[in-house]
Amino acid sequence: GQSLEQPSEVTAVEGAIVQINCTYQTSGFYGLSWYQQHDGGAPTFLSYNALDGLEETGRFSSFLSRSDSYGYLLLQELQMKDSASYFCAVRDPTGSARQLTFGSGTQLTVLP
Amino acid sequence: DAGVTQSPTHLIKTRGQHVTLRCSPISGHKSVSWYQQVLGQGPQFIFQYYEKEERGRGNFPDRFSARQFPNYSSELNVNALLLGDSALYLCASSPGQGANQPQHFGDGTRLSIL
Repeated sequence: GQSLEQPSEVTAVEGAIVQINCTYQTSGFYGLSWYQQHDGGAPTFLSYNALDGLEETGRFSSFLSRSDSYGYLLLQELQMKDSASYFCAVRDPTGSARQLTFGSGTQLTVLP
Repeated sequence: DAGVTQSPTHLIKTRGQHVTLRCSPISGHKSVSWYQQVLGQGPQFIFQYYEKEERGRGNFPDRFSARQFPNYSSELNVNALLLGDSALYLCASSPGQGANQPQHFGDGTRLSIL
């Protein structure tokens, strides 16, 4: 089976940097993804890491360490609009569906 | 380009009824997945269809069923509704089944069971 752990809440101020951690236990591994979801909205894909290291996309970066079963999402220059829930997710390599298994989400609140 | 569209956006049912939720994937996407999201939790996988065949099923009872049509749109059916079925039901599409292909989600159908 798959299980992921991430903090339930994080609070930061505008302009700051915040890191959301994710640890996972999986029977196999196809990569770690991150999704953003605003209240009442659709989850939106942010990043995908299949290999160790840092991937940067604008203000957002994502890191993966497969040996530690650990990853994080780094948000820089925080803006009010970044207030949302952030989910890490892994692919289930068993079977043909390769469905995503999501963590419970981290609620990020950005304060002025 | 249109994103993933789901209908209806909101639905209220009573226990024991059945419901059909609909999803149109992004044009060109052949894979459709359904997820259930309970308040305060991450989405939980229900089904995946690819090229009109069921490719995976999550840990949900047989009251849940789905299908995919020749135009790649999909329906999720839930019978004998229970209070615990109240949730946001999300549909996601992707071009194929590659592990590096992101899921594109619709806004969901919010189902309330009274």
